[in-house]
Amino acid sequence: GQNIDQPTEMTATEGAIVQINCTYQTSGFNGLFWYQQHAGEAPTFLSYNVLDGLEEKGRFSSFLSRSKGYSYLLLKELQMKDSASYLCAVYDSNYQLIWGAGTKLIIKP
Amino acid sequence: IAGITQAPTSQILAAGRRMTLRCTQDMRHNAMYWYRQDLGLGLRLIHYSNTAGTTGKGEVPDGYSVSRANTDDFPLTLASAVPSQTSVYFCASSESDGQPDTQYFGPGTRLTVL
Repeated sequence: GQNIDQPTEMTATEGAIVQINCTYQTSGFNGLFWYQQHAGEAPTFLSYNVLDGLEEKGRFSSFLSRSKGYSYLLLKELQMKDSASYLCAVYDSNYQLIWGAGTKLIIKP
Repeated sequence: IAGITQAPTSQILAAGRRMTLRCTQDMRHNAMYWYRQDLGLGLRLIHYSNTAGTTGKGEVPDGYSVSRANTDDFPLTLASAVPSQTSVYFCASSESDGQPDTQYFGPGTRLTVL
């Protein structure tokens, strides 16, 4: 079956750095997305990786290793507003988007 | 430009009743999707439409139906609601189908079936 694993919950301190990991086992791979979802709101797009390596976008970076079936989202200079769930999703060989359950990130002052 | 709108925002429904969740996008996107989101589970695809006039079944289609009469609208109907359909429902759209593309989400409908 297809599976995407993320930690259920993480806690970090304001101003610090946090890395949220995502491992996937899917039938084929056509790209990986990270979305942010604040409580009670819709998911919003953060990043897309299709090639190995690091994609940097401001305070957020996303890394992909296709050979290891692994990605991470790196958040720097954490702010209270970064408290949210972070969803990892993979496009499989049929171009269906498979979603992880999400990682709830709690930021403490 | 509103993007994607959904209605209603929330609804409490008696089991056995029929209910249609509405979704409208103004981005002229080809593809549209309906997901449900339950605590502890990832978003699960109910139905999708790659273009107006076509629809397809996702991971959890039973008990739901959709139609896509035009580009903008993609309603989701529960013919006879059951308590297990209590969930948050998100509509999404993407510019193209059949290739990786960013999906944009509506604000969601919180549905409770009693």
